[in-house]
Amino acid sequence: DIQMTQSPSSVSASVGDKVTVTCRASQNINDYVNWYQQKPGKVPKLVIYAGSNLQSGVPSRFRGSGSGTEFTLTISSVQPEDFATYFCQEGHKTWAFGQGTRVDIK
Amino acid sequence: EVQLMESGGGLVQPGGSLRLSCGASGFAFRSHWMTWVRQGPGKGLEWVANIKEDGSEENYVDSVRGRFTISRDNSKNSVYLQMNSLSVDDTAIYYCARVRRHYDVLTGYSTHFDFWGQGTLVTVSS
Repeated sequence: DIQMTQSPSSVSASVGDKVTVTCRASQNINDYVNWYQQKPGKVPKLVIYAGSNLQSGVPSRFRGSGSGTEFTLTISSVQPEDFATYFCQEGHKTWAFGQGTRVDIK
Repeated sequence: EVQLMESGGGLVQPGGSLRLSCGASGFAFRSHWMTWVRQGPGKGLEWVANIKEDGSEENYVDSVRGRFTISRDNSKNSVYLQMNSLSVDDTAIYYCARVRRHYDVLTGYSTHFDFWGQGTLVTVSS
């Protein structure tokens, strides 16, 4: 089975900071990684698909990168509405999610 | 507007059964794989099952295989999750979501979940 491991488990940031979340796959998964944002009590929302494709309506400050086993979600200048938990997901065989990274306000 | 609406959640005793439904509107339902994802209280997301456009292929996470069955009725724009032999570990919010396929010339097809329902709560407790 493919395991997806995110780091860090949480990160504190101030508005305007650059935030980076990493996701490692236990085996090569090409660029089959998606990223979702979930705010407390809300439904998950797709942010990035297939490694680096920005979902429609998502601000361009979000960027996905990586291939193979290591992937990154970067928020170039975090805004108040970005504070949430982010999950990576393998998007080809197992659809497994990472354990999540909480981005909160410093 | 794409809409997904789950129903059928509730309180059930360990060993019991429950059938979840998800009604879809606003898109060509029969042209999409559909999926179920769950989230236990205070926990992360766990993919549960998915089903092909015509119902001819199903996939399950190991923890539910043999106990849960996903199905669909394209005439009713609905997808279902039959859950048997429930345990306390199955307590979660269950979301249905639409599956979207993406093709890249170098790496082939990948999938993502682009629209989600609001979820239905399943509580397994005695």
